[in-house]
Order: sequence, then structure tokens, then C-alpha cells
Amino acid sequence: GEDVEQSLFLSVREGDSSVINCTYTDSSSTYLYWYKQEPGAGLQLLTYIFSNMDMKQDQRLTVLLNKKDKHLSLRIADTQTGDSAIYFCAVITGGGNKLTFGTGTQLKVEL
Amino acid sequence: SQTIHQWPATLVQPVGSPLSLECTVEGTSNPNLYWYRQAAGRGLQLLFYSVGIGQISSEVPQNLSASRPQDRQFILSSKKLLLSDSGFYLCAWSASGEQFFGPGTRLTVL
Repeated sequence: GEDVEQSLFLSVREGDSSVINCTYTDSSSTYLYWYKQEPGAGLQLLTYIFSNMDMKQDQRLTVLLNKKDKHLSLRIADTQTGDSAIYFCAVITGGGNKLTFGTGTQLKVEL
Repeated sequence: SQTIHQWPATLVQPVGSPLSLECTVEGTSNPNLYWYRQAAGRGLQLLFYSVGIGQISSEVPQNLSASRPQDRQFILSSKKLLLSDSGFYLCAWSASGEQFFGPGTRLTVL
């Protein structure tokens, strides 16, 4: 089945850029997603990218997709303390009915 | 607009007691519905998903079950809770790929 990997932790200073990385195994994945989870809350969909795109920008968020290497990244510009959360990447599987989630990256923003 | 509700928000139950968690969706028809469990704040495990009324797919063997008695209602149940059932339970819905999550239920089994 699909395997999605992320590093567990990332620490950045406020105002710097954060880059959260994700690798996946299923090259047929059509849609790839980034979710944000704040403590004690559900997951919030941040952005997504279609597999025929290399990049997608949405305000402070930039998603890069390297389909050849099956590598997805989320860049957060001008990182703020409110960006501290766990970030999950997810890829569509199961004929479009299911998502496979990565293990999540805990982003800590320091002053 | 679509909204998804889960209740209760928190639950403390003794080992061996029954469980019923409810999830309802508003503002959409015939959604796919999902139950996930998240342990220790990380790693989402898909428990069940449903593509229609009465249609339930189980992803992992366990003492939990799910039912979908109405189009926009998804229920997670257990007859006898185990300590290992403690965790954060998330319901989600989707129409075309991306999933939208409810606020979650924190279950503690003592």
C-alpha cells in the first residue's frame, strides 16, 4: 500500500521560512494535500496540489511537487507563532475514496 | 456551506463499558464518511469509511464497529471498551478527494 513519510519535528525562528517535507510511494497519486492540526483540534485543510502541477502558491504558503522523486514540500513564508502546529501531508489512494496520511511534522516557532 | 459535528467532545469511560460516538454532516448529500483514531497526538489511523447508507468498510480488526443509519450520520460503537481504545477520534467527510474533519472526540478509558 501507499507509504507517506515526514520528519517528526521542525523548529524555526519567527519571521524565517519553514519548509516541511514529505515523500510518498504511489506515483499514481493524483491529488496531494497539506493539513494543519492545532492542539486538541481536528485537521484543517490548508492547500492541495494536483499531480500535473509543479508548484502552487497561496499567500504565505507554497507547495512544491517533484513527481519524479515523489517529493512534496510545504513552504511557509514569514513564519509566525500562530503557525505552530502539526502539519500532515496526505495523498489520495483507494480509487479516490481514501487518503493516506503522513506521520505529521510538529512545527515549533520560536521568538 | 458544509459543516461537520462530533459529540461528545470529551468522554471518560471505564473499561468494559459500551461506546457510541456520533458524527453528522450538514450542507451536503451522499458524502463519503470516515472515522480515524489518533494516538498520542500523531499518526492518523483510518478505522472505517462509508460511501453510502449501510455501506461500511473496516480498515483494521478491532473491537469497534461503525454504522451509517442515515446519509449524513456516522456512528462509532463498541460493546466493551479496552484501555487501548483511548485516543482522539476524528470524523471526516469528502465529496471529491479532499477530506474535511470534525473537531474530534477525546476518549479516555480508565
